[in-house]
Amino acid sequence: EAGVAQSPRYKIIEKRQSVAFWCNPISGHATLYWYQQILGQGPKLLIQFQNNGVVDDSQLPKDRFSAERLKGVDSTLKIQPAKLEDSAVYLCASSLEAGGPYEQYFGPGTRLTVT
Amino acid sequence: QKEVEQNSGPLSVPEGAIASLNCTYSDRGSQSFFWYRQYSGKSPELIMSIYSNGDKEDGRFTAQLNKASQYVSLLIRDSQPSDSATYLCAVRGGTGRRALTFGSGTRLQVQP
Repeated sequence: EAGVAQSPRYKIIEKRQSVAFWCNPISGHATLYWYQQILGQGPKLLIQFQNNGVVDDSQLPKDRFSAERLKGVDSTLKIQPAKLEDSAVYLCASSLEAGGPYEQYFGPGTRLTVT
Repeated sequence: QKEVEQNSGPLSVPEGAIASLNCTYSDRGSQSFFWYRQYSGKSPELIMSIYSNGDKEDGRFTAQLNKASQYVSLLIRDSQPSDSATYLCAVRGGTGRRALTFGSGTRLQVQP
C-alpha cells in the first residue's frame, strides 16, 4: 500500500513570495490533515479535512494560508505572502476516521525556508 | 499548562537497557493516544496506539495508559542504537477538536 505522498520535498523562497504544497493521502483515507512542525517542536495542526469538507481550521492563519481538497482526495496548501516565521516543515497526514481507527500516517513533509 | 507534556531529554540509556518515555495530557476526555518516532530530518512514524487503560505490547515496545492520572508511557525493551530518535506523544481530543495534539517530544540516545 502506497503511503502519503507530498511534493515538493524542499522549497526556498523569499519573504512576501507565495508557495504551494501538494499532498496525496493513502488510498481510501477520508481524513486529511496539514501540520506545521517548527524545529524542536511537535507538529501543530493547521487544517483538517473530512472528505472534501473542512472539519477544523481554527489554527490556520487565514490571512495568509489557504487549503483545499477538491474531490475529496489530494489537497493543496498555499501560503501567500510568506513570512520568515513560516520557515518550517509542512506535514500532510491521513487517516481512515469516521468511526475509526484513528491512526494517522504522515507523508515525508516539505521543508520550507523563507529568506 | 501545555496540553501534552513530555520531558525534552535527552534520555540516555545503554544498549540493551529499557528506555522509559513519559507523557501527561490535560484533556480528561481524550480517548486515543499514540506514540510516534521521528528520526532527524524525517517525518513522524507511528509505532504504537493505545485506547484503553493498561498495557499494550508490540514487539520490544509497550505502551501504558492511565486515564485517571492522565498519563501515557512508552517502554522500549532491549534498546538498540537504531532506537535513537525523538519520540512524540500524541493525543486525540475527546470532544471538539479530533486532530492530534502533540507533545514536543523526548530525544532518546542509546549508547552502544
